[in-house]
Amino acid sequence: QVQLVESGGGVVQPGRSLRLSCEASGFIFRSYTMNWVRHGPGKGLEWVALISFDGSTKFYAGSVKGRFTISRDNSRNTLFLQMNSLGLEDTAVYYCTRVSGYFNPMDVWGIGTTVTVSS
Amino acid sequence: QSVLTQPPSVSGAPGQRVTISCTGSSSNIGASYDVHWYQQLPGTAPKFLISSNNNRPPGVPDRFSGSKSGTSGSLAITGLQAEDEADYYCQSYDNSLGDWVFGGGTKLTVL
Repeated sequence: QVQLVESGGGVVQPGRSLRLSCEASGFIFRSYTMNWVRHGPGKGLEWVALISFDGSTKFYAGSVKGRFTISRDNSRNTLFLQMNSLGLEDTAVYYCTRVSGYFNPMDVWGIGTTVTVSS
Repeated sequence: QSVLTQPPSVSGAPGQRVTISCTGSSSNIGASYDVHWYQQLPGTAPKFLISSNNNRPPGVPDRFSGSKSGTSGSLAITGLQAEDEADYYCQSYDNSLGDWVFGGGTKLTVL
């Protein structure tokens, strides 16, 4: 079945880095645009970054631009999020999501991986 | 503060009809971008529920409907059931920010 499974979350000190992964299965990964969305404690959902099906186009939320990098390896059906200079405000559950077009709904969500930034 | 504004909470008795609003602006919903709705059951990941053009994935009952008018979108749930108790989020695109944006979420309580 169609599935997204994130990994790589954990507890990290402020200023440090972390790399999240999202392994896709059950669909043709290289055909889909992918996103990272996060859900901070006591907050709503926040879109983080988007990457086109072939990795040629990337967009970032202002809150992470210059610190986070989204990438993908279509040969491994895997999406990545490199997070640098982490701050307390980056604490959240991070989800990867699939879209069939930039303005279409995020029709598949992963189970999420938790990132806690704490000293 | 979210770009899209939702009521923090709504409630209704079983069998009743409830609506959840999602108010945006001329740079998002008013710019003709669709509004998408997601349901997050307690302890689970969000899942796509329905769009403002009533596009819904298989398995979502037709008790759920989506609409849009001007700068606002709306989710309606008829025949409310206990299993509908969840958080609901709207989402669209904002061409002024260049961001995909979410509402702050609405907690639905079934009385």
